[in-house]
Amino acid sequence: SQQGEEDPQALSIQEGENATMNCSYKTSINNLQWYRQNSGRGLVHLILIRSNEREKHSGRLRVTLDTSKKSSSLLITASRAADTASYFCATWGNRDDKIIFGKGTRLHILP
Amino acid sequence: DSGVTQTPKHLITATGQRVTLRCSPRSGDLSVYWYQQSLDQGLQFLIQYYNGEERAKGNILERFSAQQFPDLHSELNLSSLELGDSALYFCASSVEPRNRGGGNTIYFGEGSWLTVV
Repeated sequence: SQQGEEDPQALSIQEGENATMNCSYKTSINNLQWYRQNSGRGLVHLILIRSNEREKHSGRLRVTLDTSKKSSSLLITASRAADTASYFCATWGNRDDKIIFGKGTRLHILP
Repeated sequence: DSGVTQTPKHLITATGQRVTLRCSPRSGDLSVYWYQQSLDQGLQFLIQYYNGEERAKGNILERFSAQQFPDLHSELNLSSLELGDSALYFCASSVEPRNRGGGNTIYFGEGSWLTVV
């Protein structure tokens, strides 16, 4: 079954605004990662947060992790047109070597 | 450039045919993953190899098979192709298959577009 589920499925915001995407997962995890995919291209790793971390920053990205709620959020501040892409969360479980991706959030930044 | 190389980039073939997709992982990476991405199914994990051996299996059909060779490159073989197999197939690689406390990032290739007609 799908491990990570992103919410919302699609999001359109004005350039300069902040974008927040959420991810929920089902089983215990070792870490959670966020990836970006431009249309028809490969996925690009954005940030990894470990299960013992609650928040992590990288440039305009802020990721939070709540293991009690089995959820994570990705915040992109001061959005730019180049941020238009699909964003996926991926979880790597404690017991196996599978990295499972959600279906992604399609983010569209309006000029 | 992630360092993961996939060939071919595009492939069009007829139903019932067989194709082979090739992947060269990043230098030094021992683990290779295959994913299928289609519009209706999202990104589906197919199979993972580590240093030549199968480590994890996902939703891979019996018509599909894969292997990792001694030089660490990997091939995904798709046979008796059906229209529904049309998708973008990704290969990814990482140093180790399992997080050893530091966290592992997996790096994706640009994918192979397969169209079955």
